[in-house]
Amino acid sequence: QDQLVQSGPEVKKPGASVKVSCQASGDHFTTYGITWVRQAPGQGLEWMGWISTYDGKTNYARNFQGRITLTTDKSTTTAFLEMRSLRSDDTAVYYCAREYKSGWLVFDYWGQGTLVTVSS
Amino acid sequence: DIQMTQSPSTLSASVGDRVDITCRANQSISRWLAWYQQKPGKPPKVLIYQASSLDRRVPSRFSGSGSGTEFTLTISSLQPDDFATYYCQQYNEYPLAFGGGTKVDIK
Repeated sequence: QDQLVQSGPEVKKPGASVKVSCQASGDHFTTYGITWVRQAPGQGLEWMGWISTYDGKTNYARNFQGRITLTTDKSTTTAFLEMRSLRSDDTAVYYCAREYKSGWLVFDYWGQGTLVTVSS
Repeated sequence: DIQMTQSPSTLSASVGDRVDITCRANQSISRWLAWYQQKPGKPPKVLIYQASSLDRRVPSRFSGSGSGTEFTLTISSLQPDDFATYYCQQYNEYPLAFGGGTKVDIK
């Protein structure tokens, strides 16, 4: 059964960094790209970026360019989101999600979400 | 960048009602549109991709239509399990973008 399991909740101070992990189970880790989406409390979905699990190619949303880095570790079938210079408005649930079909930017398997709270 | 606009933002309906949710793009995205359902505290779940293709796990009361800049998600007969928030997402080009969401609640 394919699934994505994310790391636990984080509490950070403004200006700090956070690294969220997303471990994929099942076969074919390098077949399907992974995207990251966040959702602030009571708000909608915001796309952050995408990474190829095959060659590490990335594409970032303009709002996050320079402040986030997406990486993967094939040996542990894990994807990572690192965000720097955290602000209070970065408080949100962060989701990873896997492509529906290879190369299709529609997402069927989602992690359970990781709550990141930024507060002084 | 492509902007996605959903309407209405909130919709009150009863079990058995037909529900239509609209999603508009500010430029053509052909048929590269997906619909998701999200319930509180849960991640989104894909319903439809390529504007009208139903995910195999989704009941047939859900359907999608449209192309270009205007799309519709239809629930033919609303069931209790369908009260949720629905999002459209364009994947014609980067940056990917979601609509603002439509909350379907009980009338």
